[in-house]
Amino acid sequence: AQTVTQSQPEMSVQEAETVTLSCTYDTSENNYYLFWYKQPPSRQMILVIRQEAYKQQNATENRFSVNFQKAAKSFSLKISDSQLGDTAMYFCAFMGTNTGNQFYFGTGTSLTVIP
Amino acid sequence: EAGVAQSPRYKIIEKRQSVAFWCNPISGHATLYWYQQILGQGPKLLIQFQNNGVVDDSQLPKDRFSAERLKGVDSTLKIQPAKLEDSAVYLCASSLLGERAHSPLHFGNGTRLTVT
Repeated sequence: AQTVTQSQPEMSVQEAETVTLSCTYDTSENNYYLFWYKQPPSRQMILVIRQEAYKQQNATENRFSVNFQKAAKSFSLKISDSQLGDTAMYFCAFMGTNTGNQFYFGTGTSLTVIP
Repeated sequence: EAGVAQSPRYKIIEKRQSVAFWCNPISGHATLYWYQQILGQGPKLLIQFQNNGVVDDSQLPKDRFSAERLKGVDSTLKIQPAKLEDSAVYLCASSLLGERAHSPLHFGNGTRLTVT
């Protein structure tokens, strides 16, 4: 079974600074997809960034980028120039291609951006 | 495009009562998921539909939970009878399958259930 681990329950960062959220996963599949979702207090889960395992290049989406280390099964999220609106829960998610497109979520990291 | 619609937004019931949640996925999305998110935890999959068929319901407590997706579009999730530990946010999500098998999930706003 796939597992996703987020070892940082809470983190904080000063506005305009950079923060990195960690995520590790365990799988025997070779082809899969990884995602970071943001959940603000409004509760709606919003896709932040995605990474295909077969791509070596790390995904980037404006201020958000990932450090994908396939051999280490690590998928960290870097937020640059943090903004107050980045305050939210962040969930790492795994989707394997051999498991009926099931998504597995980590337990989340609560990020607070301090003004 | 319109997002995933869920209702109600909030629901408070007493234990042993029944409750139903409704979800309308994004138009054209073949796969629909129901997740349970207990406070402080990540979403846990309850059931996954592809069109009107069940793909996975292994974590659905079938003695009290049921779900259906008639006609392969909108879906209802029912709890009968509710227990205190069912207090959670129930999230509905949908995704587009087919060629784009890696399509991400699109979530609704969720229903916060409180069982007293």
